[in-house]
Amino acid sequence: AQTVTQSQPEMSVQEAETVTLSCTYDTSESDYYLFWYKQPPSRQMILVIRQEAYKQQNATENRFSVNFQKAAKSFSLKISDSQLGDAAMYFCAYRSYLGFNSGGSNYKLTFGKGTLLTVNP
Amino acid sequence: DSGVTQTPKHLITATGQRVTLRCSPRSGDLSVYWYQQSLDQGLQFLIQYYNGEERAKGNILERFSAQQFPDLHSELNLSSLELGDSALYFCASSVSADSGNTIYFGEGSWLTVV
Repeated sequence: AQTVTQSQPEMSVQEAETVTLSCTYDTSESDYYLFWYKQPPSRQMILVIRQEAYKQQNATENRFSVNFQKAAKSFSLKISDSQLGDAAMYFCAYRSYLGFNSGGSNYKLTFGKGTLLTVNP
Repeated sequence: DSGVTQTPKHLITATGQRVTLRCSPRSGDLSVYWYQQSLDQGLQFLIQYYNGEERAKGNILERFSAQQFPDLHSELNLSSLELGDSALYFCASSVSADSGNTIYFGEGSWLTVV
């Protein structure tokens, strides 16, 4: 079964600095998708960034970028120029294959336990 | 705003009771997912519907059931509630069930069982 591991329960960063959140995953699939979601105190799950495993280029969304190392099964999130609004729980997620039925192929998101990011002014 | 709407936002009920959580997916999305977030289990996939049909099941208890209606909104029914069912229940949607589709989450429904 696919598993997602976030080894840093908590991280802190100074405003305007850069922080990297770690994520590793276990899979035997060759083609898959990875995501980072942010959950602020409002508790809503907000998509931050996604990465297709078949793409060698690391995804970037403004101040957010990933370091995707397919062979190492590593998918870290880098937040540059950290802002107070970045403070949240960050979840790494893997789109895992559930199987095939009459409806077609089925997938689900498997989440890590999350990393709580604090941004200090 | 993700475009996924969930009601109610908060709900307090007693053990043994039954509740219904409602979800309207993003406009144009055919696939609806339900996830449960609790302190001890983290985020767990419960069930998925696609265009009215059940598509995949995860860690959903037999006391729980769901359906997706012709207008694509979905309901999650939780019955014989126990204290351990207290959690944040997310509905999410995507355009289709393909692996590459991004899944967008609603704001969640907080369920407290007392």
